[in-house]
Amino acid sequence: DAGVIQSPRHEVTEMGQEVTLRCKPISGHDYLFWYRQTMMRGLELLIYFNNNVPIDDSGMPEDRFSAKMPNASFSTLKIQPSEPRDSAVYFCASSPSPWGENTEAFFGQGTRLTVV
Amino acid sequence: QKEVEQNSGPLSVPEGAIASLNCTYSDRGSQSFFWYRQYSGKSPELIMFIYSNGDKEDGRFTAQLNKASQYVSLLIRDSQPSDSATYLCAVISGGSNYKLTFGKGTLLTVNP
Repeated sequence: DAGVIQSPRHEVTEMGQEVTLRCKPISGHDYLFWYRQTMMRGLELLIYFNNNVPIDDSGMPEDRFSAKMPNASFSTLKIQPSEPRDSAVYFCASSPSPWGENTEAFFGQGTRLTVV
Repeated sequence: QKEVEQNSGPLSVPEGAIASLNCTYSDRGSQSFFWYRQYSGKSPELIMFIYSNGDKEDGRFTAQLNKASQYVSLLIRDSQPSDSATYLCAVISGGSNYKLTFGKGTLLTVNP
């Protein structure tokens, strides 16, 4: 398996524009997570899905953020409208199961978003 | 109070020394604990997992968990310059909600 695949790797956009980040989880993983990483706040969980269903979106900062998972192999995180404070690295991660030993969340390479 | 706390560092150790990284967590019902390593500009990668009180060893790495004190640590023996990275402590909260919460990380520098 190629691992968790995110696109694009880098995104530069102007304030007010819509931004869509994409993620393909590892095949067979039931859990998908979206994280945001900044120097100030570290790695924050935004939302996670189980079997394509959003389970906890309490980390989504505002209504400008939305996430979907239309099928087991694809998820999007959308920001509309974007603001400079949204600039961060956004990571997608997937996991086969949350419980028990040898559970691991595998991370994609991240999307570095810059809003100017 | 933040859910997972780590000293931000930087922690600097000479090559060959033992590096000790510490983490505390606030949710007493937390069940699973992870140490991730993140090189600059890269994504986090899992290096250790611990579930039960006590020590767990894997090569040069030892994770220690004390649930009574809500404390988890990572020891790196015979530190190498290639160990220089940010180390992230992560915790799965108690209950049925699978929420993997990370600390802000400790930057480790191993000097040759």
